[in-house]
Amino acid sequence: EPEVTQTPSHQVTQMGQEVILRCVPISNHLYFYWYRQILGQKVEFLVSFYNNEISEKSEIFDDQFSVERPDGSNFTLKIRSTKLEDSAMYFCATGGSPRRNSPLHFGNGTRLTVT
Amino acid sequence: KNEVEQSPQNLTAQEGEFITINCSYSVGISALHWLQQHPGGGIVSLFMLSSGKKKHGRLIATINIQEKHSSLHITASHPRDSAVYICAVRLNTGNQFYFGTGTSLTVIP
Repeated sequence: EPEVTQTPSHQVTQMGQEVILRCVPISNHLYFYWYRQILGQKVEFLVSFYNNEISEKSEIFDDQFSVERPDGSNFTLKIRSTKLEDSAMYFCATGGSPRRNSPLHFGNGTRLTVT
Repeated sequence: KNEVEQSPQNLTAQEGEFITINCSYSVGISALHWLQQHPGGGIVSLFMLSSGKKKHGRLIATINIQEKHSSLHITASHPRDSAVYICAVRLNTGNQFYFGTGTSLTVIP
């Protein structure tokens, strides 16, 4: 069964550094999402991306964050000037058209630790 | 604000028991998603519902749109069912999902 692939699985970075989290979506999916889960808390929506542009974003997704699909396959989340509170598990999810109630397919996540 | 409430938060069951996990929401939705999160953190889709009932193996999910409530049932529970079960709803007004805090299920042999 096709999978959503995320790299790296773990990332440790120092406060103030930039990180890029990568996701390879399932090939025929057109809708891409980033979610995060702070340890012990619920999963939170960050951003959705369709047709090479952001379609929705949450209050969390401020100017520190950006997404892009640089080469038609990878879908990336960039976090500039990381803060301690950015430490979390970041999940990429992809899916078909929401109008068809296509389920989301999640990657295994990237655990980001900011020290 | 908390659009999605799950109960119970924690559940311990004996192997073979019938399990019910509940999800209530307070807003109009276009779809509801039941997900399973394994101890390692990975999230797997179980069901996507907009009405009625779905069944897959020992898992059954139901939704009552009028009452804004969904249930996930596990028949003949097994220790490998131990995981966190998460309900997520997509509002009528967008494509993003709002997640509940999850129900942590432990099935004891």
